Amino acid sequence: ETGVTQSPTHLIKTRGQQVTLRCSSQSGHNTVSWYQQALGQGPQFIFQYYREEENGRGNFPPRFSGLQFPNYSSELNVNALELDDSALYLCASSDPLAGGLHGELFFGEGSRLTVL
Amino acid sequence: GQSLEQPSEVTAVEGAIVQINCTYQTSGFYGLSWYQQHDGGAPTFLSYNALDGLEETGRFSSFLSRSDSYGYLLLQELQMKDSASYFCAVKRDSNYQLIWGAGTKLIIKP
Repeated sequence: ETGVTQSPTHLIKTRGQQVTLRCSSQSGHNTVSWYQQALGQGPQFIFQYYREEENGRGNFPPRFSGLQFPNYSSELNVNALELDDSALYLCASSDPLAGGLHGELFFGEGSRLTVL
Repeated sequence: GQSLEQPSEVTAVEGAIVQINCTYQTSGFYGLSWYQQHDGGAPTFLSYNALDGLEETGRFSSFLSRSDSYGYLLLQELQMKDSASYFCAVKRDSNYQLIWGAGTKLIIKP
């Protein structure tokens, strides 16, 4: 059983550019959520996808958007990058039982984005 | 607003016991989770409390008091590999969205 994988692991962009981050969920998990973690802070919920539909969103502007594909993999897109978008972006998947009953999320190692 | 408070740093000695506290104020509460994150690594799930009381998993235990909006993580027989950041996180509704604290950096000295 493979875990959650994310790509790329590191990337550098300049202000105003656009970025796409990718995530493959753990086998059997149909729910994917994305979090932003600034240095020294806890993760902040961006949004969640369940069966290709967004079913929850945190306090992030519309330039943060996402997709979930039929194989449950997911993308996070950020347009018009700002300096404050520099952070570790974490993808987490969960299965319907463990996530719902036990609050357990399985995280990838993250994509570290630097905006210059 | 939503807030979780936990100490920013705790120092303990190898072999000792340490308790990391978490108080929360959220609109909606389903349960309290604890995650461990080593520097540069992914957060990994440790425990989840939906009901009042103590849950024990090996060297780690977690406690919840819903009436006090308070929980703690107890780590026993500390090992150097336990040096990491520990986050409490509230599951606010039936979805998987979690509201996270800022994390407690646990420093273990030999």
